[in-house]
Amino acid sequence: EVQLVESGGGLVQPGGSLRLSCAASGFTFSSYWMSWVRQAPGKGLEWVANIKQDGSEKYYVDSVKGRFTISRDNAKNSLYLQMNSLRAEDTAVYYCARDDWVWATIDYWGQGTLVTVSS
Amino acid sequence: QSALTQPRSVSGSPGQSVTISCTGTSSDVGGYNYVSWYQQHPGKAPKLMIYDVSKRPSGVPDRFSGSKSGNTASLTISGLQAEDEADYYCCSYAGSYSYVFGTGTKVTVL
Repeated sequence: EVQLVESGGGLVQPGGSLRLSCAASGFTFSSYWMSWVRQAPGKGLEWVANIKQDGSEKYYVDSVKGRFTISRDNAKNSLYLQMNSLRAEDTAVYYCARDDWVWATIDYWGQGTLVTVSS
Repeated sequence: QSALTQPRSVSGSPGQSVTISCTGTSSDVGGYNYVSWYQQHPGKAPKLMIYDVSKRPSGVPDRFSGSKSGNTASLTISGLQAEDEADYYCCSYAGSYSYVFGTGTKVTVL
């Protein structure tokens, strides 16, 4: 069974930093692209970033470019999102998700971790 | 990277059919046959219901079907059931290994 478990969320002040982690199990982590998707309170889903199997390619939504960095450790079956220069509009539940590029879809999601940016 | 446009809400009685539209551009929905649909119950993670415009993952009831014409994709739920009440989001490949989601539609079972 595919499992994705996020951690690292919390309350942070504007301009601060936070690092999210995602522990993957139940599939061969090193064989899949992985994504982060966020959802602001009461709002819709927004794709944030993704990373290739070996970490050699990374893509970001324009609103986080230069502030967020996605990375992975295949030896630890883990995905990360380093978030710097956080803004109030980054407040959201952040989901770790698995990409399936055979069908260009996101097929499995974690339960999410809440990030609140507020003073 | 603008969000795809969905109706804010749709509703139907048990047993009826409802259809949710998802309108994008030639850079996303119209440019690729890679549209997915997700169901999200309150406080839960999204669940994949349709991928590749019209394919259903294992375990998804055949009451759910998808289609696409031009820049607009659609999700139809036939034989509406109480447990189908949820938020639904479309998602399209948007080039350069990126995705764009729809604005979301709340389905209410009357």
